[in-house]
Amino acid sequence: KAGVTQTPRYLIKTRGQQVTLSCSPISGHRSVSWYQQTPGQGLQFLFEYFSETQRNKGNFPGRFSGRQFSNSRSEMNVSTLELGDSALYLCASSLGQRTDTQYFGPGTRLTVL
Amino acid sequence: AQKVTQAQTEISVVEKEDVTLDCVYETRDTTYYLFWYKQPPSGELVFLIRRNSFDEQNEISGRYSWNFQKSTSSFNFTITASQVVDSAVYFCALSEARETSGSRLTFGEGTQLTVNP
Repeated sequence: KAGVTQTPRYLIKTRGQQVTLSCSPISGHRSVSWYQQTPGQGLQFLFEYFSETQRNKGNFPGRFSGRQFSNSRSEMNVSTLELGDSALYLCASSLGQRTDTQYFGPGTRLTVL
Repeated sequence: AQKVTQAQTEISVVEKEDVTLDCVYETRDTTYYLFWYKQPPSGELVFLIRRNSFDEQNEISGRYSWNFQKSTSSFNFTITASQVVDSAVYFCALSEARETSGSRLTFGEGTQLTVNP
């Protein structure tokens, strides 16, 4: 089975712009979670989607949003980018039960200038 | 609230040495799940093991072994006869799997392991 894929792998944006990141889960997986990784804050949970509905949300401002499509693919959007949004954004998928193991993609490295 | 602490920020060993990575967790729940992930320089988090709170059996997989002790809220990871390819950042994570928390993983700070030839 193919693993979790994320596009693009690298992205450079300027402050004030917006960005959309994409994640395709492992085939058959219905839950997609997003995490932000920075040197200062470590790995932090952004949100989780299951069956096109947001199931849980982390403590991030409203500039961070996401959605999930009927094929379980997910996108996350960050509007009005700030320098502090520079990070590795990791997507993880799981079968769907809250207790299932999450499998991660390679991440999207976002740099905000 | 849940918390995971990995007190060792960096560990450096010589190849073939054994090394133990420490993980201490905090949770008020009686049912929870613990994980270890490996992050090589490429960035992807690679799943290594999962353990639920009801299963305190230690596990061994090749050169890897895990020691789960509820009494001390610890879930330590040992690599026997380390190899250069083991060099990576290792993360311990906790999931409470409540309805209100979904599948959210709470990660420790990570331990950078460097294995020198």
